[in-house]
Amino acid sequence: DVKVTQSSRYLVKRTGEKVFLECVQDMDHENMFWYRQDPGLGLRLIYFSYDVKMKEKGDIPEGYSVSREKKERFSLILESASTNQTSMYLCASSFVGQNTEAFFGQGTRLTVV
Amino acid sequence: QQQVKQSPQSLIVQKGGISIINCAYENTAFDYFPWYQQFPGKGPALLIAIRPDVSEKKEGRFTISFNKSAKQFSLHIMDSQPGDSATYFCAASYQGAQKLVFGQGTRLTINP
Repeated sequence: DVKVTQSSRYLVKRTGEKVFLECVQDMDHENMFWYRQDPGLGLRLIYFSYDVKMKEKGDIPEGYSVSREKKERFSLILESASTNQTSMYLCASSFVGQNTEAFFGQGTRLTVV
Repeated sequence: QQQVKQSPQSLIVQKGGISIINCAYENTAFDYFPWYQQFPGKGPALLIAIRPDVSEKKEGRFTISFNKSAKQFSLHIMDSQPGDSATYFCAASYQGAQKLVFGQGTRLTINP
């Protein structure tokens, strides 16, 4: 079974803190993604990586950065957490190719106070 | 920008009824239309997907209907069961894009 594992289910951080969200996949997928899920807005792509050290901005990259030093690991970084970044964060991975299935982690619910 | 619009935002259906969720897209380059199902506390998982060269795809109680000229597609759940209660997301992508654009989601509740 494909497994995408996010390091934390719940996180509470203070405004201004630097926050790291970690994601690991075990299927040797080339692509990895970070989405943000908010009620009524669906899933919005923050960043996408198609290879080690390669990244591409998604629809809402402001206030976020990412790191992919190893193929299996993709980190989302909130440089200075703000209350409007309180959300559910979902990591996903997929093979390169046309119309391939994306596999999601269980999500990290981040609250910034 | 929201390239895939999904409705309704929430839906309540009686057990045994038909659940229908609709999506509309703008980008005519889209050529892959999956539906994802998400249970509370879990990440979304692929339910069923369609390509625009067919107008309908059925897998068990789940059917996607696709209308290319109207740029719309919908998910039909026949004989809806309480275990189908979840949030459903439509999505779209196009060749070479490697990434999905999601709709806003529909929270489906099946009453016993």
